[in-house]
Amino acid sequence: GQQVMQIPQYQHVQEGEDFTTYCNSSTTLSNIQWYKQRPGGHPVFLIQLVKSGEVKKQKRLTFQFGEAKKNSSLHITATQTTDVGTYFCAGKYMEYGNKLVFGAGTILRVKS
Amino acid sequence: NAGVTQTPKFRILKIGQSMTLQCTQDMNHNYMYWYRQDPGMGLKLIYYSVGAGITDKGEVPNGYNVSRSTTEDFPLRLELAAPSQTSVYFCASSYSMGQGGQPQHFGDGTRLSIL
Repeated sequence: GQQVMQIPQYQHVQEGEDFTTYCNSSTTLSNIQWYKQRPGGHPVFLIQLVKSGEVKKQKRLTFQFGEAKKNSSLHITATQTTDVGTYFCAGKYMEYGNKLVFGAGTILRVKS
Repeated sequence: NAGVTQTPKFRILKIGQSMTLQCTQDMNHNYMYWYRQDPGMGLKLIYYSVGAGITDKGEVPNGYNVSRSTTEDFPLRLELAAPSQTSVYFCASSYSMGQGGQPQHFGDGTRLSIL
């Protein structure tokens, strides 16, 4: 079945350092969404990417969708303690009825 | 503005017991979903519904049942609880599920332990 691989599983950074998480799919995605889950909380939608090669920015967060629509990345510049949490990508496949397939998530810890 | 409300927040069950996890949303969304989240595994879709009276299986439906009698409510039923069903359960809703997509709005979750 459809599977979205996400790496790394865990990253611990010093406050002010950058952070990147990557998602990969073996087959083409119709779109990809990113969610953030704070410790003990629920996933909260961040952004959706639809077009091949799309790049979107939200303040210190930069989201990219690959040209082949098989990979995506989330980059955080100059991390802050408020960035702590788990970041999930979730891909949609047309052949799977456009249901979301979640990656396993990347846990981000920030040392102040 | 309540959004998606799940009850209970925590529950401990004995093996073989049954229970219903409640989910209600006030955003008039047609699409609703149930996920389970196990440590390090992301979210797995259990069941989903595209509208009142219509439900379908997701990736991990075994051991669960759902119903959707109204737009607002989408309860999840565990009939014979097993230790493998220990997890955090999230209900979510969205305006649509098409290729263009709409964000899913999640409830706070139900933390379920089966002993």
